Amino acid sequence: AQSVTQPDIHITVSEGASLELRCNYSYGATPYLFWYVQSPGQGLQLLLKYFSGDTLVQGIKGFEAEFKRSQSSFNLRKPSVHWSDAAEYFCAERYFGNEKLTFGTGTRLTIIP
Amino acid sequence: DVKVTQSSRYLVKRTGEKVFLECVQDMDHENMFWYRQDPGLGLRLIYFSYDVKMKEKGDIPEGYSVSREKKERFSLILESASTNQTSMYLCASKGPTGSSSGANVLTFGAGSRLTVL
Repeated sequence: AQSVTQPDIHITVSEGASLELRCNYSYGATPYLFWYVQSPGQGLQLLLKYFSGDTLVQGIKGFEAEFKRSQSSFNLRKPSVHWSDAAEYFCAERYFGNEKLTFGTGTRLTIIP
Repeated sequence: DVKVTQSSRYLVKRTGEKVFLECVQDMDHENMFWYRQDPGLGLRLIYFSYDVKMKEKGDIPEGYSVSREKKERFSLILESASTNQTSMYLCASKGPTGSSSGANVLTFGAGSRLTVL
């Protein structure tokens, strides 16, 4: 069965510091992987996606993620966070031929001055 | 850009009431989804639809039903609301796999926060 693990429930980072949010997927085949962000009171916005090819993908707002098959991971990174990055971040996966998108439980990011 | 509109941002209902949550998308997408979001549990799929009048159960369909009479509209129905259905409900849509429009990517509405008293 599909499952996505985000081991960090809450992360606090200083403004200007680097960020890495962890995500592990469980299915054996090559997944389609996504990171979404949800600002308070808003719906989910797609940050980036990985389907195939280059394992380092670039997204919006300066975010990037790296697909590592050997570690079943798809961690999200940003070199320097801004106060506006405070939000909840969700990793998600689906597979070819399956329309169902499975989400992790989310990581809440707090930015301190 | 694809727009997914959920008609009600906030609803307050009483236990036992019938509740309709409406979702409309404007990009002629085949696939539409209803998720429920709860703190610590992330998003869980309730139902999805891959065509008009077609539906499939997701992970937590109990207590819910859906209706898709027109391609652009996907309704979530709580036949008899209960307090444990107090939650944020998110609708999403997606084009067919391989299409150029919204291919493989879900676009979400702003959500409907339901409180059942």
